[in-house]
Amino acid sequence: QQQVKQSPQSLIVQKGGISIINCAYENTAFDYFPWYQQFPGKGPALLIAIRPDVSEKKEGRFTISFNKSAKQFSLHIMDSQPGDSATYFCAAPGYNDYKLSFGAGTTVTVRA
Amino acid sequence: DAGVTQSPTHLIKTRGQQVTLRCSPKSGHDTVSWYQQALGQGPQFIFQYYEEEERQRGNFPDRFSGHQFPNYSSELNVNALLLGDSALYLCASHSGDSNQPQHFGDGTRLSIL
Repeated sequence: QQQVKQSPQSLIVQKGGISIINCAYENTAFDYFPWYQQFPGKGPALLIAIRPDVSEKKEGRFTISFNKSAKQFSLHIMDSQPGDSATYFCAAPGYNDYKLSFGAGTTVTVRA
Repeated sequence: DAGVTQSPTHLIKTRGQQVTLRCSPKSGHDTVSWYQQALGQGPQFIFQYYEEEERQRGNFPDRFSGHQFPNYSSELNVNALLLGDSALYLCASHSGDSNQPQHFGDGTRLSIL
């Protein structure tokens, strides 16, 4: 059973600042570790995903850093914009498992 | 290219009733998973369907059942509804042989009165 711990629960950042969300998982896994962005009334939208044999992946203003030995991964949102205000979820696959286990979510508020 | 589509978007039921939710996967995807998301929480895995069979199940009672059709679309059925079943029900799809991340629909908001 994969357990995922996500922090912080919420954060407020000024426009142009950096948002950092951290996740830790328990069990080794080999499939993609995704991050999802969810707006109120919508489903989670895939933001960016990384395989555990890669230490960093960047897509535009979003970067995932992955530390396989520590079983931790994080999302950095650079140059945060008001439109980035949403709830972000990390997720981890299981070992020989088909499901995703999600963190509890981080609500990001970007002040203009 | 249509993404994952779910219907209906909202549903109101009373305790003891039964409900069926529907999902069409993203084009090119053959694997469908269902998740339950309570307010303020992360999605919880219900089960996954591949090749019309339930491949894995999460910690949900037998009141939750599903089906996958030959065109890869899927249904989630919940019997004997309880107040605690009120949640956003999410469908996710991916290609079973590619290990790509799952893509989610916008869900069905189920309210039990």
